[in-house]
Amino acid sequence: QKEVEQDPGPLSVPEGAIVSLNCTYSNSAFQYFMWYRQYSRKGPELLMYTYSSGNKEDGRFTAQVDKSSKYISLFIRDSQPSDSATYLCAMIRTGTASKLTFGTGTRLQVTL
Amino acid sequence: DSGVTQTPKHLITATGQRVTLRCSPRSGDLSVYWYQQSLDQGLQFLIQYYNGEERAKGNILERFSAQQFPDLHSELNLSSLELGDSALYFCASSNEDGQYFGPGTRLTVT
Repeated sequence: QKEVEQDPGPLSVPEGAIVSLNCTYSNSAFQYFMWYRQYSRKGPELLMYTYSSGNKEDGRFTAQVDKSSKYISLFIRDSQPSDSATYLCAMIRTGTASKLTFGTGTRLQVTL
Repeated sequence: DSGVTQTPKHLITATGQRVTLRCSPRSGDLSVYWYQQSLDQGLQFLIQYYNGEERAKGNILERFSAQQFPDLHSELNLSSLELGDSALYFCASSNEDGQYFGPGTRLTVT
């Protein structure tokens, strides 16, 4: 079993929809959580970084962390075709010198 | 643009050869990380350097090595290349706001 589980999708939604992307993890030592967006053949782009349970909002993006359930989410409001990409969750365990452990990524397609 | 630069963008080479990938971190960042992304394994951490010293190692093969120079740029050396080493190699640098990735080097071993 992988340390970080993420549904690979693909997930297809119409423009304007609210998108929910999720990851679960098994090790409670994960304390820092990030969401990246990766367009095809490009480098991952950091969207959100959070380290406490609760919600963090940035524009159309909201990151949610529930440490008791070992579950994190990324919500995208008013989704646009330009949001079509692969979304990767990533986590850092305490005491691991900040190396990221990634989920497999969820491929999102926003259609007109 | 993350501010992390990587060269070259693409590299095509033959099995058994050796290549060097180069990374320059964002201005002011002391940490450099190397990751490998392949279709079957996803994004995997290879190694981290902090201000010239190795800080952490992941599942990096013995045929691979890295170093960080006094000007903080880093190089990843891949030797005795095999077909399975074909992948995207990313460098990242970090500060308190997170880890920022470069555009990657696409390595194709034929």
